[in-house]
Amino acid sequence: GEDVEQSLFLSVREGDSSVINCTYTDSSSTYLYWYKQEPGAGLQLLTYIFSNMDMKQDQRLTVLLNKKDKHLSLRIADTQTGDSAIYFCAESAPDTGTASKLTFGTGTRLQVTL
Amino acid sequence: DAGVIQSPRHEVTEMGQEVTLRCKPISGHDYLFWYRQTMMRGLELLIYFNNNVPIDDSGMPEDRFSAKMPNASFSTLKIQPSEPRDSAVYFCASSHGTGRGNTGELFFGEGSRLTVL
Repeated sequence: GEDVEQSLFLSVREGDSSVINCTYTDSSSTYLYWYKQEPGAGLQLLTYIFSNMDMKQDQRLTVLLNKKDKHLSLRIADTQTGDSAIYFCAESAPDTGTASKLTFGTGTRLQVTL
Repeated sequence: DAGVIQSPRHEVTEMGQEVTLRCKPISGHDYLFWYRQTMMRGLELLIYFNNNVPIDDSGMPEDRFSAKMPNASFSTLKIQPSEPRDSAVYFCASSHGTGRGNTGELFFGEGSRLTVL
């Protein structure tokens, strides 16, 4: 099966930029996603990128996709304490038609310090 | 819509007991997924349904686990008998899928935290 890898932990100071990296294995994924999980809650979609794009910007969030290296990154500008959470990248499984069957990475815990 | 609703939020039970987790997906969503989250294994897909029909149950750990979706607004995940290693947070999620211009976003419930003693 597919393996999606992330570093486990990232600590940044409030106001700095955070960069969370992800390596995926399935080059045929149509969409790649970033989800956020706050303590005691389910995952929520943060942003996504279509596989024919290299970059997507959405306010403080920038997603970069390098298909050659199968590398996905999420940059959060001006990181705030409210951004402290676990961030998961996810890829859609191939050959599943329109089903959004996702494989999630291990998650990166982002800690924002004052 | 109230979002995906799961119950119970917390369950503590003893080894050998039957556990039933419940999920109400978002109305109109075609797909329903059951995930399990543990520190050791992360998020694992257990099973998913399309229009109430189980499509892929390859992630179900063993025969002690079963899932049903009797109608479009209700699904259950049952563990019988439960074991301590089943302790985890179980998430239900629903989606429109990626057809008709949808992005495949999964909408997650708050999860059911299961502790088996």
